[in-house]
Amino acid sequence: DAGVTQSPTHLIKTRGQHVTLRCSPISGHKSVSWYQQVLGQGPQFIFQYYEKEERGRGNFPDRFSARQFPNYSSELNVNALLLGDSALYLCASSLRRGGLRTDTQYFGPGTRLTVL
Amino acid sequence: DQQVKQNSPSLSVQEGRISILNCDYTNSMFDYFLWYKKYPAEGPTFLISISSIKDKNEDGRFTVFLNKSAKHLSLHIVPSQPGDSAVYFCAASGAGGTSYGKLTFGQGTILTVHP
Repeated sequence: DAGVTQSPTHLIKTRGQHVTLRCSPISGHKSVSWYQQVLGQGPQFIFQYYEKEERGRGNFPDRFSARQFPNYSSELNVNALLLGDSALYLCASSLRRGGLRTDTQYFGPGTRLTVL
Repeated sequence: DQQVKQNSPSLSVQEGRISILNCDYTNSMFDYFLWYKKYPAEGPTFLISISSIKDKNEDGRFTVFLNKSAKHLSLHIVPSQPGDSAVYFCAASGAGGTSYGKLTFGQGTILTVHP
């Protein structure tokens, strides 16, 4: 079975530009979460979507937005890019909403974003 | 405010010996804990989890121990193998509400297993 897939693998943008990252969850998984991982730190939660609705949001500015489509795939959008947005962006999928004891999140390989 | 902490940035172990990775947390609302392994250029891979109603969970060479009173968990790998060399992340999730879908991660511990 295919795992979580993300595209693109790598991306280089300049300050002020906009970027869209894409994620396809494991087949049958209805929940998608997005995380940002900067070098030397653990992943930080950005959003969770379940059944096309935002169900959780981390401490990120409004420049970050996301949506989930009827096929449960998801997009993360970042506007007005800053140098500090350079990071690995990870997508994770799970069967249902997080917070349940057996609801493990499975991660994709990530998109490496570099902002120059 | 670092709610999940892995105080050892790195750990070096000989092949065949036990590896013990530690994690502390401060938020008493956390009730589900996970360990992930991460190789360079890959996403985190789920290893093992434990709910707060248990104090031990075992899966092959991997065992996770939870001490709720100390707000401490540990991952034991026995025997350690060179292929276990990776960054290990401890993560925790809460009981619901606004914490739905949010995993809070530690900073990671780099494990190196020498042949």
